[in-house]
Amino acid sequence: AQSVAQPEDQVNVAEGNPLTVKCTYSVSGNPYLFWYVQYPNRGLQFLLKYITGDNLVKGSYGFEAEFNKSQTSFHLKKPSALVSDSALYFCAVFTSGTYKYIFGTGTRLKVLA
Amino acid sequence: EAQVTQNPRYLITVTGKKLTVTCSQNMNHEYMSWYRQDPGLGLRQIYYSMNVEVTDKGDVPEGYKVSRKEKRNFPLILESPSPNQTSLYFCASSFSGGNGYTFGSGTRLTVV
Repeated sequence: AQSVAQPEDQVNVAEGNPLTVKCTYSVSGNPYLFWYVQYPNRGLQFLLKYITGDNLVKGSYGFEAEFNKSQTSFHLKKPSALVSDSALYFCAVFTSGTYKYIFGTGTRLKVLA
Repeated sequence: EAQVTQNPRYLITVTGKKLTVTCSQNMNHEYMSWYRQDPGLGLRQIYYSMNVEVTDKGDVPEGYKVSRKEKRNFPLILESPSPNQTSLYFCASSFSGGNGYTFGSGTRLTVV
C-alpha cells in the first residue's frame, strides 16, 4: 500500500537559518512527489513537484526539495527561513498505477524572529 | 483567474439533513477530487474522478456520494450527515493525475 510519512509534527527554526521538513514515502512503481503549503484559513498551495530528472527540484518562494531514491525520501529545504514561511506543509505522492494521491499528515513549520 | 470554487465556506447542519457542497473549476481539468482534513490525520481522499461520468472511491468514502455530469463540476453529497463528518473539506483539480492540484478554499462543516 502507498504511504507517506512526515515524522515531525512541528519544526522550529530561527529566521535566517536553513530549514528542512522531512518526508519519506512507500510506493510501488515510480512516484510523482509533491509539496504543498497551507496558510491559516486557506486552501493548500502547490510548491513543487518531482517526476523525473534532476534530484534537486526548485519551487515557489525559494523552496527546493531533494529526491533520494535509495532512502525513499523527498525532504523540503530552504537556505534561509523567513517568518512568513510559518505554515503547515504537506508532502504527497501520486502513482499512475493507482491513479490516487496520498498525503502525509503535515508538518507545522514555525520560523522564529 | 484560474481557480477552484467551493461553496459554502462554512456550514452548520443537523444530523440527518441532506446537504451538498459544490465544487467548480474553470481550468478544463480532467481530474477532480474531494478530501477531508482532520487534525493529526492530514488529508484523506474521499472520492475522485478521472473524467466526466468516471468516479471512484478514495480512502474514506463511507457516508458520501459524488457525481461528475459535467467536466467543471464535482459536487459532494452527504445524504444523512453524522457528527463524525464534522471536518474541513477541500475540493481539488488537476489537468491529469500527476500534474499537481489546484485546491479550493475549503468548506468547514459542522454536524450537530
